[in-house]
Amino acid sequence: AQSVAQPEDQVNVAEGNPLTVKCTYSVSGNPYLFWYVQYPNRGLQFLLKYITGDNLVKGSYGFEAEFNKSQTSFHLKKPSALVSDSALYFCAVRDGNTGFQKLVFGTGTRLLVSP
Amino acid sequence: DAMVIQNPRYQVTQFGKPVTLSCSQTLNHNVMYWYQQKSSQAPKLLFHYYDKDFNNEADTPDNFQSRRPNTSFCFLDIRSPGLGDAAMYLCATSRATGSTGELFFGEGSRLTVL
Repeated sequence: AQSVAQPEDQVNVAEGNPLTVKCTYSVSGNPYLFWYVQYPNRGLQFLLKYITGDNLVKGSYGFEAEFNKSQTSFHLKKPSALVSDSALYFCAVRDGNTGFQKLVFGTGTRLLVSP
Repeated sequence: DAMVIQNPRYQVTQFGKPVTLSCSQTLNHNVMYWYQQKSSQAPKLLFHYYDKDFNNEADTPDNFQSRRPNTSFCFLDIRSPGLGDAAMYLCATSRATGSTGELFFGEGSRLTVL
């Protein structure tokens, strides 16, 4: 069975500073990893995914994530935070070695970017 | 262009009065999901349809039912809503095969129970 851990309930960062939102995972096969963002009263929006290839994945709105197999991590990063990045972020994983598999979500991390 | 559309966006109902939430998709995905999300928690999967096959999660209450009359539409029926059923309900779709399993979400339906 797969699982995802987001160890921080909330991350606070000042506008213009770099941000990191942490995610670690556990999966028996090849990990397919995803980041989603959710704004208030909205659905989840896809940010980026890692399937294979380059460990640094670039996604929407200037976000990127680094896949680290040895540390089983997939941290979300952005070089310069914007106030508008304030939202709820979810990491998710599925086992890519099997056929149809449901995504497993982490508990979410609230990002607050102060002006 | 909206690809997964949920209606209504906001629904208010009375305790015990049945409610139906709808979801439609233009992606032609064969898997459709219903999630319940409370208070900025992680979305909780209620059930999913793999084509016409219905798959219920073990801990989904009997109060929640679903229908999928065709590929494009899926409905969530709450037979007798309780105060604890107030939540955001999210519909999502994916392709079962030949894809990475990425989910496409609608904007959600927020249910208030009075």
